[in-house]
Amino acid sequence: QKEVEQNSGPLSVPEGAIASLNCTYSDRGSQSFFWYRQYSGKSPELIMFIYSNGDKEDGRFTAQLNKASQYVSLLIRDSQPSDSATYLCAVRRTGNQFYFGTGTSLTVIP
Amino acid sequence: DVKVTQSSRYLVKRTGEKVFLECVQDMDHENMFWYRQDPGLGLRLIYFSYDVKMKEKGDIPEGYSVSREKKERFSLILESASTNQTSMYLCASRPRGTGTDTQYFGPGTRLTVL
Repeated sequence: QKEVEQNSGPLSVPEGAIASLNCTYSDRGSQSFFWYRQYSGKSPELIMFIYSNGDKEDGRFTAQLNKASQYVSLLIRDSQPSDSATYLCAVRRTGNQFYFGTGTSLTVIP
Repeated sequence: DVKVTQSSRYLVKRTGEKVFLECVQDMDHENMFWYRQDPGLGLRLIYFSYDVKMKEKGDIPEGYSVSREKKERFSLILESASTNQTSMYLCASRPRGTGTDTQYFGPGTRLTVL
């Protein structure tokens, strides 16, 4: 079983719609959770992190964490063509143990 | 802003060559990491370092070694490059402590081994 699993997509949404990206993780002891955006040929850049159960909002982005279900999601409201990228879910167990999913490819259609 | 730089964006080497990848960060971070990223496999940790001269193996250390002689610099060494080490290599740094857990990534080095 993989540490972190994501649907690889591709996921296509029309401009202005809500994009929903999902991630599950295997270790119940995981402590913090991250969403990175990666444009083609570039390195990952952090969008959001979340530690506690519930929702965390930052502009058009909302991260949701459900530790009981071992599930993390990212919602992108009012999707823009510039949001087209691969989104990586990452989980930190303890210390420096980070595990990454393989990413979900998102395309926002103008 | 945190800045993580890597010595090369693109590198082409021959099988059997010794390859050095350099990473420098300017934010006095204690922790530094080397990952490789391959399609369908995601980012996989090769090695990380939590202090000068200290290192820990990640999930795929075979065929690699690292060096951290100064806090700001973390080097990845391929002792004898092989074609299956063709990949995107990403360096990251992270501060110690619980205030922020974020890793900051460098631009990456795309290595091709022929």
